[in-house]
Amino acid sequence: EIVMTQSPATLSVSPGERAILSCRASQSLSGSLGWYQQKSGQAPRLLIYDTSTRATGVPARFSGSGSGTEFTLTISSLQSDDFAVYYCQQYNNWPLTFGPGTTVD
Amino acid sequence: QVQLQQSGPGLVKPSQTLSLTCAISGDSVSSSGAAWAWIRQSPSGGLEWLGRTYFRSKWYNDYAVSVESRIIISADTSKNQFSLKLNSVTPEDTAVYFCAREVPTAGLRVYDFWGRGTPVTVSS
Repeated sequence: EIVMTQSPATLSVSPGERAILSCRASQSLSGSLGWYQQKSGQAPRLLIYDTSTRATGVPARFSGSGSGTEFTLTISSLQSDDFAVYYCQQYNNWPLTFGPGTTVD
Repeated sequence: QVQLQQSGPGLVKPSQTLSLTCAISGDSVSSSGAAWAWIRQSPSGGLEWLGRTYFRSKWYNDYAVSVESRIIISADTSKNQFSLKLNSVTPEDTAVYFCAREVPTAGLRVYDFWGRGTPVTVSS
C-alpha cells in the first residue's frame, strides 16, 4: 500500500497570501495524484487530477505540480472561501489512498 | 449535473450489517465509463476508499483489502442506484460514509461527484 503524507498539518495564511501545501508518497506515482478540498460538514470536492489538471469549474488560483513522490498544491492568492482541509489522493496503485490532510486556516 | 442521494440508518449494532444506498441522477449506474464507489471518513478525518462497482459488458467489483472479507457493493439498474453492505461491524467502522462517482475516463481513479455523506455509528 502506498502511504501518503502531507505537510504541514495546519497552515495559517491570511487572505491574499499564497498557500503552498505538500504531499509525499512512499512510492513513485507516475503523476497519478489528485487534490480535494473539504469544508466542514461537506463532501470532498475534486480540485486537481493528474498532478496539475484543474477539474471543471476550479478557479485558476489553484495549481498543482510535482513528480515522482513529491507534489505541491499552490493557492496563489487565498480567498476567504478557500479556508478548508485539503487532501491528496494517489491512484497509481491499488488500494487508492489519501493523505491525512492539511488544514488551511 | 450528476447528483448522488444517500440513504440508510445512522446507527448499527456491533456484529450486524451496515447497509447504505446511493441513488444516482444525471448518469447511469451501468454507464460504460464511470465507476461507483464508497469512501468513508473516520472521526479523526482520515479518508479510506472501500470499494467500487462498474459495468463493462458485465459487472465488476474492486474492494479494499482491509474490508474485502466483509463488504459487498452491488448495483440495481432498475432503480439506478448502488449499495454498500458491510457485515460484522465493530465500533472501528464508525465513520461518515460517502458514495462517489469515479471520473469516467480510463485510468483516472478520482472522484468528481459525491453524496452528502451518512454518519454511521456502531454502538449497542
